[in-house]
Amino acid sequence: QQQVKQSPQSLIVQKGGISIINCAYENTAFDYFPWYQQFPGKGPALLIAIRPDVSEKKEGRFTISFNKSAKQFSLHIMDSQPGDSATYFCAASGASGSARQLTFGSGTQLTVLP
Amino acid sequence: KAGVTQTPRYLIKTRGQQVTLSCSPISGHRSVSWYQQTPGQGLQFLFEYFSETQRNKGNFPGRFSGRQFSNSRSEMNVSTLELGDSALYLCASSLTAPSSYNEQFFGPGTRLTVL
Repeated sequence: QQQVKQSPQSLIVQKGGISIINCAYENTAFDYFPWYQQFPGKGPALLIAIRPDVSEKKEGRFTISFNKSAKQFSLHIMDSQPGDSATYFCAASGASGSARQLTFGSGTQLTVLP
Repeated sequence: KAGVTQTPRYLIKTRGQQVTLSCSPISGHRSVSWYQQTPGQGLQFLFEYFSETQRNKGNFPGRFSGRQFSNSRSEMNVSTLELGDSALYLCASSLTAPSSYNEQFFGPGTRLTVL
């Protein structure tokens, strides 16, 4: 019940295209859903996060869409750039107990072709 | 404001040895969490500390331990190293007591190789 399932495992997009990464969760105690971006040799960096009281959050070219009833959320990267090439992780956490720590998806390796 | 710092950045040990990794959180942050990252298992939660108390622990054997000091700096220790402990160990800090809005900021990690 702690799992967060992420897809696809890898994604190749042309420059200027839209990158879409999907995540699904089971634990209804989760109420915080961040996305992290990780470059080789670096730690994950917080990109954008959403709470279940809204269905969408946009920051620049990055948008999170959240579907509470389906227990799914996704990251959309508009106008993808070669500099966006990295590994993206979705995560989820809740308010109490074992749900309080971040549970991560398995990651999506994004490659944006010039 | 300086980010999360971890030392050392790289470490090579042999099986059976023990190792101590250090993490300094962002100034003012009181919560520190540790994660293990491997290609096969991804990012897995180890433990979380707040105000020198372990608040949460992941599903790792007792060989993995940690502590937090009064200045919020944290250390993790792995005893009797096994080949499978080779991984990137990440420390993350957050501002307040752990909550559902657990905005965590990660350090660069310590790359541990066990030979």
